[in-house]
Amino acid sequence: AQRVTQPEKLLSVFKGAPVELKCNYSYSGSPELFWYVQYSRQRLQLLLRHISRESIKGFTADLNKGETSFHLKKPFAQEEDSAMYYCALSGQGAQKLVFGQGTRLTINP
Amino acid sequence: GAVVSQHPSRVICKSGTSVKIECRSLDFQATTMFWYRQFPKQSLMLMATSNEGSKATYEQGVEKDKFLINHASLTLSTLTVTSAHPEDSSFYICSARGGGQAETEAFFGQGTRLTVV
Repeated sequence: AQRVTQPEKLLSVFKGAPVELKCNYSYSGSPELFWYVQYSRQRLQLLLRHISRESIKGFTADLNKGETSFHLKKPFAQEEDSAMYYCALSGQGAQKLVFGQGTRLTINP
Repeated sequence: GAVVSQHPSRVICKSGTSVKIECRSLDFQATTMFWYRQFPKQSLMLMATSNEGSKATYEQGVEKDKFLINHASLTLSTLTVTSAHPEDSSFYICSARGGGQAETEAFFGQGTRLTVV
């Protein structure tokens, strides 16, 4: 079974501070991990995926298979980063995308 | 990125009636479409996965006779909520995956807010 856990429902940090949104997963095979973001009044959109190993809007995420984690990090938060963030997992060969509970990130000025 | 459009964005219906929600991929062929349900301040719950031309695969606990999914073409999937009741009121979101850029990335519709009165 595929399961994604985001332990923090809410996260609030000051502008310029580092940000880490936690994501842990449960899956017996090789997963594909994603981070999706939903800005206010907008649809869900892909932020980044582990296979591309890229940095988007200053965010990075490393897949740690030993700890079954895919935490999202940014060294210096900006006010425009305030949004709802969802970690998601797609199983090997399977196409369905399973989401974590989401973390609402608020960046204070 | 690719565009997925849902229609309608909001709908209010009477208890006992049926409601159809459309999900279209506008600029790519969606071989797979997903339907999610989102309760207030909660995450997206996958309801079913549909592949073009075949029957949808429903998640455990989702009534297939209540939530009818049709994926008749590579650009259109529909979700019909049959004999709707107030507890079916929710935010329904579709997403689509296809070939090319969308092969692994899923693109999302803007969602449909259903209110059953």
